[in-house]
Amino acid sequence: DIQMTQSPSSLSASVGDRVTITCRASQSITNYLNWYQQKSGKAPKLLIYAASSFQGGVPSRFSGSGSGTDFSLTISSLQTEDFATYYCQQTYSSPYTFGQGTKLEIK
Amino acid sequence: EVQLLESGGGLVQPGESLRLSCAASGFTFSNYAMSWVRQAPGTGLEWVSSISGESEMTYYADSVKGRFTISRDNSRNALYLQMNSLRAEDTAIYYCAKYYYYSGTKSFDSWGQGTLVTVSS
Repeated sequence: DIQMTQSPSSLSASVGDRVTITCRASQSITNYLNWYQQKSGKAPKLLIYAASSFQGGVPSRFSGSGSGTDFSLTISSLQTEDFATYYCQQTYSSPYTFGQGTKLEIK
Repeated sequence: EVQLLESGGGLVQPGESLRLSCAASGFTFSNYAMSWVRQAPGTGLEWVSSISGESEMTYYADSVKGRFTISRDNSRNALYLQMNSLRAEDTAIYYCAKYYYYSGTKSFDSWGQGTLVTVSS
């Protein structure tokens, strides 16, 4: 199975900050990497697919990059609605594993 | 608008069975693979199972293989998860999710609100 490791596990930041979350796969997954946002008590929401493509309606302050084994999600200027937990997921091969999540909290 | 509505969750004892359903609308159901993803209380997301559009292919996480069965009824726009021999560690919110394909890649672009399964004596 492909293991997905996110860092950091939690992050405190302020409105307006630029933050980056990283995700590393245990083997190459080319660009089969997705990012999801989950707010407390809600279902996950797809933000980025294929490592760097935006899902419709996602603000342009979100961006994804990477290929192979190393990926990142960047939020260029944090807004209050961005405080949530973020998960990466590989869909290169079954089982389609998720990272452990990064909880983004208000400083 | 895509809508996915799970049902069938509840409290069961270890060893018992439960069948989850997901009612889909707003898209051509048979054209899309579907998945179940679960989330144990206070933890992260775990992919459970997937099924292709015409049920030709099914996939399972090792943790549920042999106990859970995914199926679908395209005439009813419905996805199912039959869960047998339930264990305490199966306690979670179960989400159904719709596949999105892009240039060979896949992601889950729509999710239901989830249904809670609690396995406890």
